[in-house]
Amino acid sequence: GAGVSQSPSNKVTEKGKDVELRCDPISGHTALYWYRQSLGQGLEFLIYFQGNSAPDKSGLPSDRFSAERTGGSVSTLTIQRTQQEDSAVYLCASSGNNQPQHFGDGTRLSIL
Amino acid sequence: GDSVTQMEGPVTLSEEAFLTINCTYTATGYPSLFWYVQYPGEGLQLLLKATKADDKGSNKGFEATYRKETTSFHLEKGSVQVSDSAVYFCALSRSGGSNYKLTFGKGTLLTVNP
Repeated sequence: GAGVSQSPSNKVTEKGKDVELRCDPISGHTALYWYRQSLGQGLEFLIYFQGNSAPDKSGLPSDRFSAERTGGSVSTLTIQRTQQEDSAVYLCASSGNNQPQHFGDGTRLSIL
Repeated sequence: GDSVTQMEGPVTLSEEAFLTINCTYTATGYPSLFWYVQYPGEGLQLLLKATKADDKGSNKGFEATYRKETTSFHLEKGSVQVSDSAVYFCALSRSGGSNYKLTFGKGTLLTVNP
């Protein structure tokens, strides 16, 4: 497809389990971003990849969160030992050089 | 650090009413400013943007002007429609371009009644 693709669209898991969220950016976009949208905190930046540069991880809330981007394309956000406060919609965006960010539809994560 | 403050909702209007959603920002340098819209059940979409002072972004009848002197980027529309019902987010990006993380306001829910 032409847009940013995220999977799964919904994920329900038990507290303490690990989860992996996937993002497939728009082809050719060098920048990829992860954000979290929750009722209490609004939209928060998590991590940013730009080409082959070291990622900007300044928004990750704890060391339980990590992300990687393989081959400059697909990215995976991993949350280890999930907690109830991790429940949120996780949004991925990508952008080309000096172009606006295009967002996927998000993954709604629910921790029981 | 960077921050965006936008008026809290919800905002409820009748069709054809005038809309203003206030947005102010705090940032170093000369950020780019954006309005994103999230329709029910959908992802975020860019509505409009402005990259320097006095620029006016416009799209779908919506407008916003980058006012550096008041650090504001208020969203306006002269005549809203039911289909404009959505959550609106004001955001900024540093470095003058878009290849940088966005800092968002908390969002304003707009409901337009027929």
